[in-house]
Amino acid sequence: EAQVTQNPRYLITVTGKKLTVTCSQNMNHEYMSWYRQDPGLGLRQIYYSMNVEVTDKGDVPEGYKVSRKEKRNFPLILESPSPNQTSLYFCASSFRRGAEGYTFGSGTRLTVV
Amino acid sequence: RKEVEQDPGPFNVPEGATVAFNCTYSNSASQSFFWYRQDCRKEPKLLMSVYSSGNEDGRFTAQLNRASQYISLLIRDSKLSDSATYLCVVRHSGGYNKLIFGAGTRLAVHP
Repeated sequence: EAQVTQNPRYLITVTGKKLTVTCSQNMNHEYMSWYRQDPGLGLRQIYYSMNVEVTDKGDVPEGYKVSRKEKRNFPLILESPSPNQTSLYFCASSFRRGAEGYTFGSGTRLTVV
Repeated sequence: RKEVEQDPGPFNVPEGATVAFNCTYSNSASQSFFWYRQDCRKEPKLLMSVYSSGNEDGRFTAQLNRASQYISLLIRDSKLSDSATYLCVVRHSGGYNKLIFGAGTRLAVHP
């Protein structure tokens, strides 16, 4: 089944404790992206990657890092999480060109206390 | 000003009603347009693409007005299962597939 898999689905952590949210897709998509969703603000792009070893900042990159060592994986790293990073996170992928939309992962609900 | 604006709702309608959602976008370079559906705390899922000529998929009709930079979604004969948040989405032209999401319009269909 074609899908984007995110883990974990839920995470509660403490301020400053490094964490990684994993994302993997099995559709051979070039393009992958991370979004956060907050009430009233919609989905905002954190980082994106157009292909292996090619990443760039989105609209709200502060406090996050990403890597794209393999085509299928695009982990999101929070080196020192803070309470303002409490949010619902989605990973998405698509083919690089074309007019189709994204396939989303099931989401990760992160709470930083 | 947000790049994609939607009425947040909620729209509370009875089963069988017709409901329309509107969306405006500010970037005239926007190239592709979509409506996504998002159930509570779940991932957004593509409902339909929006074409310049308008398009229909069963009870759902999408319209695009490029001159006014306006997109609409019409749902006829609403079902309880249509209750969700509907996201208006635009894609810019250019070398990568960035989608810009509206904050969503919430629909609640009641018996």
